[in-house]
Amino acid sequence: SQKIEQNSEALNIQEGKTATLTCNYTNYSPAYLQWYRQDPGRGPVFLLLIRENEKEKRKERLKVTFDTTLKQSLFHITASQPADSATYLCALEDTGTASKLTFGTGTRLQVTL
Amino acid sequence: NAGVTQTPKFRVLKTGQSMTLLCAQDMNHEYMYWYRQDPGMGLRLIHYSVGEGTTAKGEVPDGYNVSRLKKQNFLLGLESAAPSQTSVYFCASSYFRQGTEAFFGQGTRLTVV
Repeated sequence: SQKIEQNSEALNIQEGKTATLTCNYTNYSPAYLQWYRQDPGRGPVFLLLIRENEKEKRKERLKVTFDTTLKQSLFHITASQPADSATYLCALEDTGTASKLTFGTGTRLQVTL
Repeated sequence: NAGVTQTPKFRVLKTGQSMTLLCAQDMNHEYMYWYRQDPGMGLRLIHYSVGEGTTAKGEVPDGYNVSRLKKQNFLLGLESAAPSQTSVYFCASSYFRQGTEAFFGQGTRLTVV
């Protein structure tokens, strides 16, 4: 069956360091991979999208890599700040209709001073 | 620009009661979705719609019905609520092409007692 795995344990890092979050998937051939941020009591907010034929995508302090051979995406936040503390969700979009997304369970990031 | 608005934000139901959750978007999106989010389970797709007058089942459709009579609105109904339907429900919408971000509402926290 299809499975998307994100580290369920919280990631605690110090301000200024680079946070790296992992998304692994099995039995899936996504056309696109997306990352969302979710704050407590709020809906997910889109951050970045990467296509299957792209290796890397950047946006300001954010970087996403996509390795379809390893079936893995890495999400990096450089120069992390306490305001980056949130849960980060990985989502896969298949090639079917309606652009349906399948989400991982998310990884909670805590950035401390 | 309101984006995606969900009504209500909170609701407590007794087992067997019915209710309707309303989702409204003002971005002229074709695609709309209903997800539920449970601890440790991630977001799971309940039903979705690719346009006015259309609906389709997602991953966990049992116990729910939906309607899309107007393009901007997507309704989720629970005919006979069960404690297993206690969850946070999110509505989302997106443009009618692949590889595009989804916009989420703020969520509805539903408790069935």
